[in-house]
Amino acid sequence: TQLLEQSPQFLSIQEGENLTVYCNSSSVFSSLQWYRQEPGEGPVLLVTVVTGGEVKKLKRLTFQFGDARKDSSLHITAAQPGDTGLYLCAGAAGGTSYGKLTFGQGTILTVHP
Amino acid sequence: DTAVSQTPKYLVTQMGNDKSIKCEQNLGHDTMYWYKQDSKKFLKIMFSYNNKELIINETVPNRFSPKSPDKAHLNLHINSLELGDSAVYFCASRASGGEETQYFGPGTRLLVL
Repeated sequence: TQLLEQSPQFLSIQEGENLTVYCNSSSVFSSLQWYRQEPGEGPVLLVTVVTGGEVKKLKRLTFQFGDARKDSSLHITAAQPGDTGLYLCAGAAGGTSYGKLTFGQGTILTVHP
Repeated sequence: DTAVSQTPKYLVTQMGNDKSIKCEQNLGHDTMYWYKQDSKKFLKIMFSYNNKELIINETVPNRFSPKSPDKAHLNLHINSLELGDSAVYFCASRASGGEETQYFGPGTRLLVL
């Protein structure tokens, strides 16, 4: 069974601060996805990283996939209240797994004005 | 246009009842999923169908029975509801053959009293 350990579980910071969320596993994933979920809604994909060592940027968000494709991080620069939400990492097993995703436990981020 | 829709959005029912949740996607995808999100926000896959065939069946009580009348619909029927079934149930869909992005519905909030 593949597991993804996501940390921290809760993050409460002031506007303008930087933060990093981590996802770690002992398993190799074919890709790793980051989702953001607003209250009362379903998760929405932010980014997919596929290649070991890959770095992707989405405005103030930087996503990195570990060289061994077992871990990933999400870094937010100068956080804003609009970044508040639940962030989920999800690993895809690839191959014949039919797109099965293993989710981390989630990080609830609160950015205070 | 809603890509993945679920009905109902809220469901409050008594223990022992039988209930169904419906999901429809208009993205032309051929793979659909049911996930359960618990009170701690952990998202876990339950089932997946590809072209109306069951392809993923995680360790889920047999009181849960998915049904896919066509590849645009995946319904979830739950018999003899228990208190522990209270959760948010998300439907998702994906286009098979490469892209692993899953598109989630808005969720069905089930409360069993």
